[in-house]
Order: sequence, then structure tokens, then C-alpha cells
Amino acid sequence: EAEVAQSPRYKITEKSQAVAFWCDPISGHATLYWYRQILGQGPELLVQFQDESVVDDSQLPKDRFSAERLKGVDSTLKIQPAELGDSAMYLCASSLTRNTEAFFGQGTRLTVV
Amino acid sequence: GNSVTQMEGPVTLSEEAFLTINCTYTATGYPSLFWYVQYPGEGLQLLLKATKADDKGSNKGFEATYRKETTSFHLEKGSVQVSDSAVYFCALSEAGGFKTIFGAGTRLFVKA
Repeated sequence: EAEVAQSPRYKITEKSQAVAFWCDPISGHATLYWYRQILGQGPELLVQFQDESVVDDSQLPKDRFSAERLKGVDSTLKIQPAELGDSAMYLCASSLTRNTEAFFGQGTRLTVV
Repeated sequence: GNSVTQMEGPVTLSEEAFLTINCTYTATGYPSLFWYVQYPGEGLQLLLKATKADDKGSNKGFEATYRKETTSFHLEKGSVQVSDSAVYFCALSEAGGFKTIFGAGTRLFVKA
């Protein structure tokens, strides 16, 4: 069964360092999402791609976060510099189109120390 | 703006008990509604969905009905199992599919 792949599963980084997460969506899925899930809360959308274009990044802290999906396939989310408050689970999801079911990866748990 | 409110947890039940997790929403237009489940250490999985008023989504013994008049999408299961222990998220997808908004989640513990 096709899955959304994310790496790494866990990441510990020091404050002010740079960190990057990678996501490979299900083949053929045009829409890709990055969510942040703080412990005890629901996921919050950071950025949504349609193919290689960003269609919503209204909640992305653009002073430190960046995301790209250069060829409209896999995607990278970067944080530079990391802050203590960035500790969370970062979830990637993909869907065939933006109107269809989103499938989630297992997430990357980031701890900033 | 659009939002989802679900009952706070944790909810603790004995095996074979009846489960209800309340969810209400605020949205313009006609959103699609979802329940996702997150088992320990895993990502979110879609449990069920409903795309229009009065639709009933169902899966694995869980069901929820899209009630536009009460803006609700309560999750129910007649007889829970220990394996149902997880965090359940209610969510809505804005009309046109521009964004999915999640509730805060409700943790369910089922005791044997």
C-alpha cells in the first residue's frame, strides 16, 4: 500500500541551529501539506502545495521557516534558526487533489534543546 | 473564521461501552467533515468522512452524521475495544478544499 514517507522520524537539535525535514508523497498526488502538531493540540497547517506552487502559507513563520517542492514531487521543510518553541511533531500529508482525502506520514518529532 | 470544537479528554471507558465524542464546527459554505484517528506513535489516519448534510460516514464500527442544522458531527461507536484507544480528531475541509482545519483532539482510553 502506498504511503507518505517522512524522514527523519526523530530529530534533536540545539537552539539556533538549522534543521530540515523531508517528505515523499504518494505517487501522483498533486497536493502536499505540511502540518505542525504541538503536544496536546490538533495539527495546524503550515503550508500547502499544489504541484510545485504554494497555495497557502498564511500560517508559516516566514522569518525562519521555508518550504519547497521544486519538481512537484517530494518536499523539504526547513527551520533556521530553530527556537525552543518549535519543538513539535511535523506532519506531511498528500492528496490526489485538494478536494480528496489526505493521507498522512508518520511525522518527524522535533525537539529543540 | 472556520473552526472545529471537540470535547476535551481524556475519555476513559470500559470495553464494550458506548462511545460518543462530540464535535461542532463553524464554517461558511458547505465544508466536508472528517474524523481522523492517531494511534500511539503513528501518523493520522482517516477514520470516516461526510461531504454533505445528512450524510453518515462509517468505518470499523464508528459512525458520524453530518448535521447542518446543529453544525455537528459527533463520533459514535456502540461497543468499544481496547484497541480503539487512541486520539481522535474532528476536522473540516473548507468548501473548495483550500484548507483542512483540525480540532484539538480527544484522547480515548479503553480499559479491559
